[in-house]
Amino acid sequence: GAVVSQHPSRVICKSGTSVKIECRSLDFQATTMFWYRQFPKQSLMLMATSNEGSKATYEQGVEKDKFLINHASLTLSTLTVTSAHPEDSSFYICSAVAGVQETQYFGPGTRLLVL
Amino acid sequence: AQTVTQSQPEMSVQEAETVTLSCTYDTSENNYYLFWYKQPPSRQMILVIRQEAYKQQNATENRFSVNFQKAAKSFSLKISDSQLGDTAMYFCAFMKPPGDYKLSFGAGTTVTVRA
Repeated sequence: GAVVSQHPSRVICKSGTSVKIECRSLDFQATTMFWYRQFPKQSLMLMATSNEGSKATYEQGVEKDKFLINHASLTLSTLTVTSAHPEDSSFYICSAVAGVQETQYFGPGTRLLVL
Repeated sequence: AQTVTQSQPEMSVQEAETVTLSCTYDTSENNYYLFWYKQPPSRQMILVIRQEAYKQQNATENRFSVNFQKAAKSFSLKISDSQLGDTAMYFCAFMKPPGDYKLSFGAGTTVTVRA
């Protein structure tokens, strides 16, 4: 149980285009999901908290207009990187909270490369 | 935010041997959860073990066990009978429930198991 999927696993796009990443909890409902960014050999950096049915809460320094988050259902959250630039290239990871266990379970991550 | 410190950037262990990873944290809370996550080269974050602060008994999961010292704010992970598949980056994390499901992560410890 507690499986989280993420799609796509890898995406290459041109500078200036937008990219959408989906995060799904497959066997449980998640009112809360998180989006992280991770650079090689570093820890996870929290970008935002995604709450079903309400606006996302962004961490300090994260541009909410650039990283659009939508949590339209109890099993799906999406992260859209708008007008992507090479500096947005990174590994993006989502997680979903299994409420009863109060534990975050992670998706496999998305590697974004902006050319 | 809570501070989580992992003082060992890298560790190496011979297959079948035991290795212990250290983690300390700083909090004024009495009720909280602590986690160890594993991130192998695939970069999938995997939950290894979870400990509730109110429980005095140390959590164990097969070859993985923790030494939770609440007064000392220490939460070390012991990997027994190390296997090649244990090669990964290990992150210690702190959560303050209820309702706040954010994780504060340590910087991580890279464990390499040698054949």
